[in-house]
Amino acid sequence: DAGVTQSPTHLIKTRGQQVTLRCSPISGHKSVSWYQQVLGQGPQFIFQYYEKEERGRGNFPDRFSARQFPNYSSELNVNALLLGDSALYLCASSFSSQTYEQYFGPGTRLTVT
Amino acid sequence: QKEVEQDPGPLSVPEGAIVSLNCTYSNSAFQYFMWYRQYSRKGPELLMYTYSSGNKEDGRFTAQVDKSSKYISLFIRDSQPSDSATYLCAMSDEGGTSYGKLTFGQGTILTVHP
Repeated sequence: DAGVTQSPTHLIKTRGQQVTLRCSPISGHKSVSWYQQVLGQGPQFIFQYYEKEERGRGNFPDRFSARQFPNYSSELNVNALLLGDSALYLCASSFSSQTYEQYFGPGTRLTVT
Repeated sequence: QKEVEQDPGPLSVPEGAIVSLNCTYSNSAFQYFMWYRQYSRKGPELLMYTYSSGNKEDGRFTAQVDKSSKYISLFIRDSQPSDSATYLCAMSDEGGTSYGKLTFGQGTILTVHP
């Protein structure tokens, strides 16, 4: 079975630009969570979506937004990029909103210059 | 103070050694405890999953949770060079306002040399 897929793999943007990252969960999984991982740190929770609704939000500014589609895939949008947004953005899927077995994709590496 | 503390290492051991990786935490609401392995420039891979206190064994890996001390451990027996990676502990409470949120430690870099 295919695991969690994310696109693109790498992305280079300039400060002030906007970016959209995409995630497809494992087949049958209805929940998608987004994490930001800065080099040398553990992942930090950004959002969880379940059945197209936001169920959880981490301590990130409103420049970060996301949505989930009827096929359970998801997009993460970041506006007005800052240098500090440079990180690996990880998507994780799970069967339900309260399943703690989360399976991660390979991530999208975002570099902001 | 971070909710989850993990010694970043790096930790270097010879092949065949027993490895002990540890995390401490401050949030007593945490009930689910996970260990992930992350290879360089890859996403984290779920290794083990434990609910509440106790031990869980899976092959060469053993996870221990001591909720009274707010301390969790992962033991790797007969370590192999292929175990070289960053090991992340992660924790979660039983829902409430924390749907889908895993709180991670910083990660410990492990190198197993032949």
